[in-house]
Amino acid sequence: NAGVTQTPKFRILKIGQSMTLQCTQDMNHNYMYWYRQDPGMGLKLIYYSVGAGITDKGEVPNGYNVSRSTTEDFPLRLELAAPSQTSVYFCASSYPTASGNTIYFGEGSWLTVV
Amino acid sequence: RKEVEQDPGPFNVPEGATVAFNCTYSNSASQSFFWYRQDCRKEPKLLMSVYSSGNEDGRFTAQLNRASQYISLLIRDSKLSDSATYLCVVPPSGGSYIPTFGRGTSLIVHP
Repeated sequence: NAGVTQTPKFRILKIGQSMTLQCTQDMNHNYMYWYRQDPGMGLKLIYYSVGAGITDKGEVPNGYNVSRSTTEDFPLRLELAAPSQTSVYFCASSYPTASGNTIYFGEGSWLTVV
Repeated sequence: RKEVEQDPGPFNVPEGATVAFNCTYSNSASQSFFWYRQDCRKEPKLLMSVYSSGNEDGRFTAQLNRASQYISLLIRDSKLSDSATYLCVVPPSGGSYIPTFGRGTSLIVHP
């Protein structure tokens, strides 16, 4: 009963370092999303994907990259980490149906850049 | 008008109270809507869906008013455990792949 799995759960990065947040889902969902959420704020879309090999920018893509080589995996790459990227990151997936898309979230990855 | 608007609150209510939140949306073509619950430092989780006029699940009732383009969430007999942020969500529609999230309404239930 895994759903959406994110790793790592917590990470501290130094300014200028790079890292990849992993996200995998076992529900065969086509749509996948990466959001960031700053304290007291709403979700902001970083990147999304509508299927393997297809990705597109969201609201706040700068400083991030994604890939979608399989339906299951949607990793988020941070290049040259900056303090402004300190946030909690949520991966999500969904599947379109006639009655709408229920969106499933991972448990989040807490990232601190120092 | 923003795509999805919610009163951020916080709504501070005693246990046992009835509380209601509204969410207005701008896309009149939207057919379905969701309420998600987000606990502090946790991921959002689906609470209820609304496809037609309304939906009821125990102490929770979600209603849709298409004419005025808003959905509401009513919580009866509030419990301490209801304290959370409630997010209004409009799923993708009309060729869009991106769900629209409200910023959330904070509820604090106190003894």
